[in-house]
Amino acid sequence: AQKVTQAQTEISVVEKEDVTLDCVYETRDTTYYLFWYKQPPSGELVFLIRRNSFDEQNEISGRYSWNFQKSTSSFNFTITASQVVDSAVYFCALSEPETGANSKLTFGKGITLSVRP
Amino acid sequence: DTGVSQNPRHKITKRGQNVTFRCDPISEHNRLYWYRQTLGQGPEFLTYFQNEAQLEKSRLLSDRFSAERPKGSFSTLEIQRTEQGDSAMYLCASSLFYPLLQGYEQYFGPGTRLTVT
Repeated sequence: AQKVTQAQTEISVVEKEDVTLDCVYETRDTTYYLFWYKQPPSGELVFLIRRNSFDEQNEISGRYSWNFQKSTSSFNFTITASQVVDSAVYFCALSEPETGANSKLTFGKGITLSVRP
Repeated sequence: DTGVSQNPRHKITKRGQNVTFRCDPISEHNRLYWYRQTLGQGPEFLTYFQNEAQLEKSRLLSDRFSAERPKGSFSTLEIQRTEQGDSAMYLCASSLFYPLLQGYEQYFGPGTRLTVT
């Protein structure tokens, strides 16, 4: 069975601090996909990134970066120089393998990030 | 470019009543998913469609729940004889799927918040 663990429940930082959100996953499959979504106070889930299990390259997008390590089954998300607009709930998710495509997502419980001015 | 839309955004109903929610996916997306999110939790998968075919249903989807996607476009989720435990945010997502292509991310709608009194 798949499982996603986000051990941190709430994180509070001051603006401009760097913050890392942890995600640990469990799956028996060798092919899978990992995702991060952001849920701002408005409630709509916003897609941030998708990562294939066979691509362990880290990725950077502006102030966001992701560190994928299969050896530790982790897919951590770092926000550099955090801003108040980053305040949201962040979800890590895992999808079951299917030939060449994603299917249902298994989500972690989410991490509430508060960035104070 | 319109995203996933859901109606209504909020629904308050009395226990025992039936409710129906609608989801309109992104127009070219052939897959449509329903999730349920309760307070402080990540979304949980309920069911998904590829075109008009319902391919998988979660054990969470009791007999009181039924979902349809009659023409492979919009979808409805009906809950019969609502119970207080059905109170949650019901999220719809859509994605594009073609065999042999790599995974595509799911795009979420704003959700329908159901309150059963």
